[in-house]
Order: sequence, then C-alpha cells, then structure tokens
Amino acid sequence: DAGVIQSPRHEVTEMGQEVTLRCKPISGHDYLFWYRQTMMRGLELLIYFNNNVPIDDSGMPEDRFSAKMPNASFSTLKIQPSEPRDSAVYFCASSFTGATEAFFGQGTRLTVV
Amino acid sequence: GQQVMQIPQYQHVQEGEDFTTYCNSSTTLSNIQWYKQRPGGHPVFLIQLVKSGEVKKQKRLTFQFGEAKKNSSLHITATQTTDVGTYFCAGPRVDSNYQLIWGAGTKLIIKP
Repeated sequence: DAGVIQSPRHEVTEMGQEVTLRCKPISGHDYLFWYRQTMMRGLELLIYFNNNVPIDDSGMPEDRFSAKMPNASFSTLKIQPSEPRDSAVYFCASSFTGATEAFFGQGTRLTVV
Repeated sequence: GQQVMQIPQYQHVQEGEDFTTYCNSSTTLSNIQWYKQRPGGHPVFLIQLVKSGEVKKQKRLTFQFGEAKKNSSLHITATQTTDVGTYFCAGPRVDSNYQLIWGAGTKLIIKP
C-alpha cells in the first residue's frame, strides 16, 4: 500500500476562496481523521469518520469547515470561505481500529493570503 | 477535560548527548503511543505501550510506561542528527476509545 495519500501538498489561495483538501486512506482502515497543525495550537483533531460515517466533528472550528467521506477510499475537507487564520498544515490519518497506530499522510500546507 | 501534558517543549543538546521527553496524563490510559515528526514532515508512529511498568527499546530509544499508566517517557541515548524532530505522545480519550489525545510535543534540536 502507498500509505495515506493527500492532495494537494501545497495550496495558496486568496481570502474568500473555497479550498478543498483530499485524502485517500490506507485500504482496510476503518477510521479516518482530519487534523490541523499550527505552531500556536499544535496538532488539533478536526473530525473523524468510522466506516465513512462522521462520528465526532466537535473539533471543526466553524461552519466554514465541512468534511465528507463518500466512500471508504476518499475523503475531503472543505473550507468555504477561507480566511488567513486557516493557514496551517492539514493532515489526514487513518487507522485500523480507532485509537491505535495512526498512519498520517504527508499533509497539505495551506496558505490563505 | 482530559489532558496530556508533555515536557519540555524544546530541548537543545550537543550531538552525542542524551535526550528525554516526559508525558503526563490527567487520566489513566489504556495505552500510550509515541510518534516522531521530522521538520517539514508528518508524524510517524514509533511504538505503543500497553502494560503497567512496560519498558521497550528500539536501538538507542527507550520507552517507559508508568506503573499507574498515567505517565510515560522517551529517552534517546547518544543523540545523532537523524534524531532531530518533534516527539509526540498520544493516548486514547477515556470517553471515546477511538480518538487520541496528543501531547504538545518536544522538539529535539542538535546544537551546531
């Protein structure tokens, strides 16, 4: 398996624009997590899915953020409209049984100007 | 709420010196995991400890889980430049065994 795949690796966008981040988890992993990492706040869990169903989205900062997992091999995190304070590295991770070994993608570095 | 505290935030060492990071949980953990994130990289799983008092070694890295399963440490002997990065501990949330609570990480910096 190629591991967790995220795209794009880097995204620079203007304030107000819609941003969509994509993730392909490891095949067979039932859990998918979206994290945001900043210097100020460290690693924050935004939302996680189990068997494609969103379980806990309490970490999603605002209604501007939304996430979907239409099937077991694909998830998106959308920010609309984007703001400069959304600039961060967004990681997708998957795991076999929830709070066990998490496999992270290489991340998307988002810059909103 | 449940917290995982990790200290120190940074540690500067000369190459060849030892490095230790400590992790303390506000609650008893069913397991604790350690991850390493290289600069510009993503967190990579190192190890999971499950048993009270467990000690595991990976070459120059020694991981310990406290008797009360509320604290843990990672010790690196004779650091090398390849050890540079941020080391995170993480444990399951008590009210949701499917989420991890993360420490803030300890950044290992090798002095030039």
